[in-house]
Amino acid sequence: KNQVEQSPQSLIILEGKNCTLQCNYTVSPFSNLRWYKQDTGRGPVSLTIMTFSENTKSNGRYTATLDADTKQSSLHITASQLSDSASYICVVTTPYSNSGYALNFGKGTSLLVTP
Amino acid sequence: KAGVTQTPRYLIKTRGQQVTLSCSPISGHRSVSWYQQTPGQGLQFLFEYFSETQRNKGNFPGRFSGRQFSNSRSEMNVSTLELGDSALYLCASSLDRGFNEQFFGPGTRLTVL
Repeated sequence: KNQVEQSPQSLIILEGKNCTLQCNYTVSPFSNLRWYKQDTGRGPVSLTIMTFSENTKSNGRYTATLDADTKQSSLHITASQLSDSASYICVVTTPYSNSGYALNFGKGTSLLVTP
Repeated sequence: KAGVTQTPRYLIKTRGQQVTLSCSPISGHRSVSWYQQTPGQGLQFLFEYFSETQRNKGNFPGRFSGRQFSNSRSEMNVSTLELGDSALYLCASSLDRGFNEQFFGPGTRLTVL
């Protein structure tokens, strides 16, 4: 079972509307959580990165929240634009011995913003 | 400042062949990570190199290998290609190791026939 679950799998919204994407994780311990935006045919671009002590971080119209107690994160997009159409990927990093890290990826939410 | 570059962008191989993909990180970045992305599995971490040494490794068979050169450029090699290796292979660079702010390249689309 994937340790990082994203919902919904896909979403269609009208331009100008707000939306919220969810990321629930079970991995432990926790190092940080990132949200990436990936346009079709391109590499992912980092939107936010949050550590355990941070519960909200913004990047323009994107605001990520983190509840480390419930192991939930959300990405809120305000006043959506056509260019927001992309896949949004949640990644949770966990440390392990010998200064290593493990990356746990969600399978992404595909967002389509229509005129 | 130039971004992460990957070559080639597209590649077609047949089963059993081997392939080498190249990644040039952003100037000054010393960490390079490789990822495989498929529609079914999503993004999966392959390995991370820092100072010419593999620092982290994902759960992939030994057919997948990599290396990093003194100028931080990295290559990954896949031997004895299988149909399931068809994927987008992404490279990401960051200043230091530990998966801090990463910048991804456009990827190499590998198709195995």
